[in-house]
Parts: sequence; C-alpha cells; structure tokens
Amino acid sequence: RKEVEQDPGPFNVPEGATVAFNCTYSNSASQSFFWYRQDCRKEPKLLMSVYSSGNEDGRFTAQLNRASQYISLLIRDSKLSDSATYLCVVNGNNQGGKLIFGQGTELSVKP
Amino acid sequence: NAGVTQTPKFQVLKTGQSMTLQCAQDMNHNSMYWYRQDPGMGLRLIYYSASEGTTDKGEVPNGYNVSRLNKREFSLRLESAAPSQTSVYFCASSKGDRGPGELFFGEGSRLTVL
Repeated sequence: RKEVEQDPGPFNVPEGATVAFNCTYSNSASQSFFWYRQDCRKEPKLLMSVYSSGNEDGRFTAQLNRASQYISLLIRDSKLSDSATYLCVVNGNNQGGKLIFGQGTELSVKP
Repeated sequence: NAGVTQTPKFQVLKTGQSMTLQCAQDMNHNSMYWYRQDPGMGLRLIYYSASEGTTDKGEVPNGYNVSRLNKREFSLRLESAAPSQTSVYFCASSKGDRGPGELFFGEGSRLTVL
C-alpha cells in the first residue's frame, strides 16, 4: 500500500461547481499534513496546511480525520484558474523528516 | 529573492554517463530535499537532509548520491545514468526547525537518459 494515496482524476467540473478531493495516508504517527498545488510543468506550491480542527482559506476548506486517516480538500465556486493538480502531502513519523507526496489529483474547470 | 535555484534546467545524457544536479537556497533553511516526478507517480523522495551535515534516504535512493555541501547547497549525483532515471527532478527546502513546514521548490531539472 502506498503511504499516501489520492484519486488521480481527472475531475472535470463546470465553473461555479463545488469539488472535493480525498487523500488517505497509512502512517498513523504522521503529524503534519498539507495540500499543494501544481500547475502544468511547474513546481508545486503550498496551497494550505491541514490542522486537526480543519481550516478554511476563502473558497478552500481542508479537513483532517485522524481516526480514518484521511484528509480532504473542498473547493467551492470553482474558477477556471483552479485548474491544476492538487497534491496531498504527509510527513513521515519523525518531525523534520521526510515528506511524502500523493500522486496528485488533476482538476480541470471548464467554462 | 531567488529562493531555490536548480541547475541545469535541462540535460540529456547517454546511458552510463554521470552528472550532478546542483541546488542552492538563500532562505537560511535547515532542511533540503530531492524529489523526482514521473507521470502518474507524483513526487517521490530520493534523499533529504534535515540539517547541515546529515543526509537520509527517501523512497527511491538507488542509483543516486547526495552531498550537503553547506547549509545553502544540496547536490544530487547520478554516477551511471540509466533510462529509468529519465524524470523531472525537484529540489526543495524548508525551515525544518519545528517539523517539516512549508516546502519551497526550485523550478525543476528535466533529465533525459538515452
């Protein structure tokens, strides 16, 4: 089993739609969780960190479920500019150590 | 701010040749990483350096060596390149003082091994 798994998609949605991505992780000792965004042929960039209490940044909401070992990303009112690949990132079992990426979920927002 | 700088951006090698990918960061970060990205595979960690003077293997270290030359620089060496090492390589850094924190990536190095 991969340490971090995501549905690769692609998710094709119309502008204005709400879309949700899930990500599961295998290491119950993981402490840090993130969502990154990667545009085509570019480097990944941090979208948001995921806290135990969940967090929201504008149209984006991230949730963590430790019992089921998954994190989620919800995008409301999708924009064309949201088209990208969204990467789930989880740290290994030692703080400051390795960060493991999921394979990414591709989102395409259509007019 | 330059951030994380990788060189070269593009490279074509023949099987068996060696090369070194260079990475430097100017953010005074403690931790540095090398990832490779292949279609459908996401980013896979090759090696990382939690702090100056330390290096550790990631998920796919075979065929690679690294050197944390100083706090700023972290190089990745392919001693005998193979076609399976054709990939996009990303260097990244993070503060690393209390947990991994945000990763800052270079623009990537696209390597083709013929």
